[in-house]
Amino acid sequence: AQSVTQLGSHVSVSEGALVLLRCNYSSSVPPYLFWYVQYPNQGLQLLLKYTSAATLVKGINGFEAEFKKSETSFHLTKPSAHMSDAAEYFCAVRTNTGNQFYFGTGTSLTVIP
Amino acid sequence: DTAVSQTPKYLVTQMGNDKSIKCEQNLGHDTMYWYKQDSKKFLKIMFSYNNKELIINETVPNRFSPKSPDKAHLNLHINSLELGDSAVYFCASSQMGTGAGANVLTFGAGSRLTVL
Repeated sequence: AQSVTQLGSHVSVSEGALVLLRCNYSSSVPPYLFWYVQYPNQGLQLLLKYTSAATLVKGINGFEAEFKKSETSFHLTKPSAHMSDAAEYFCAVRTNTGNQFYFGTGTSLTVIP
Repeated sequence: DTAVSQTPKYLVTQMGNDKSIKCEQNLGHDTMYWYKQDSKKFLKIMFSYNNKELIINETVPNRFSPKSPDKAHLNLHINSLELGDSAVYFCASSQMGTGAGANVLTFGAGSRLTVL
């Protein structure tokens, strides 16, 4: 079964510092991979998605993620954190058969002024 | 115009009651889902419907019964509510295919259920 693992349930960075949120997937073939963001008391919004077109994927709000097959990773990065980036971030995988999506346990990002 | 809309946004009720949450999507997607998010923010898929047919039914008590009258609607009915049912329930939709917007989940804003 396909799944994703997010390392670090809580990450704190200073404003202006690099953001790195980790996600590893388990799949025998490259799956569809996603990062979603959830702001307090809101639903989830798509940040970016990997669909095998390009290994470096750019998303909204300055975020990007790199698909590394050798490491089975899809880490999310942003060069400079803003206070508005404080939120819960979820990595997700879509199954290759059917149209099912499974989520990691989430990483709460805190940005320190 | 909200793409995926859920009602109600908040629901407070007593143990043992029956309640429903409604979901509608205007994106023309063929697949709809219910997810449960607990107090630790874990997101767990509950049900998935494709063109009104049940595709996936994860380990969910049979007190939960989804109903899809058409492919734009997926409602969730919960019988005999228990304290552990307190959570935020998210509806979502997606479309299989090869277009730019395909194979992506679009979420509703969530329905927060509190069982007292």
